[in-house]
Amino acid sequence: NAGVTQTPKFRVLKTGQSMTLLCAQDMNHEYMYWYRQDPGMGLRLIHYSVGEGTTAKGEVPDGYNVSRLKKQNFLLGLESAAPSQTSVYFCASRHRDRGPYYGYTFGSGTRLTVV
Amino acid sequence: QQQVKQSPQSLIVQKGGISIINCAYENTAFDYFPWYQQFPGKGPALLIAIRPDVSEKKEGRFTISFNKSAKQFSLHIMDSQPGDSATYFCAASIGGGNQFYFGTGTSLTVIP
Repeated sequence: NAGVTQTPKFRVLKTGQSMTLLCAQDMNHEYMYWYRQDPGMGLRLIHYSVGEGTTAKGEVPDGYNVSRLKKQNFLLGLESAAPSQTSVYFCASRHRDRGPYYGYTFGSGTRLTVV
Repeated sequence: QQQVKQSPQSLIVQKGGISIINCAYENTAFDYFPWYQQFPGKGPALLIAIRPDVSEKKEGRFTISFNKSAKQFSLHIMDSQPGDSATYFCAASIGGGNQFYFGTGTSLTVIP
């Protein structure tokens, strides 16, 4: 069981370049999330999706777009990268029908540096 | 504004000792409080969670203590082991919603 797989693991971008981060999960989870992790800030929600074809904004959505064309994939796009988007990006997923104590399954992260 | 405040930022504990990490919140609508453990190069993993209808939850060496009136909750790691060395995040959410608010993390080092 692969769980949540993120590609790429590392990337360096120049300011103004665009890129797409891919998240794939094989657990048939309905809900998927993109977080960014910055030193001293914890994890902050960028965008999320509660099902194929649906997306919604999180806490820090500016500068990012997302798409969920297939249930198992959730893409995060940066149209014009800025140094402020240097961060570690985590994808996570969970079942819609959760028990009383539930959590996300996280991927291992993408470390993005914008120069 | 940080919705969940976590302390300390870093913690060093001797093997066999007790590690204590504290979190505080202001929003009384929060009703679910998980703790995540993250090893270097990995994503966070759910460790233990509590709801405000109980004051304590224990799973093995890990215990969450919850003080609803003080709006505080803490993670206690008993008999700390070098393998517990990781970063720990507390979090909070409302009504099973999709927005988890994470603390800033505590880097725990357990010295053999």
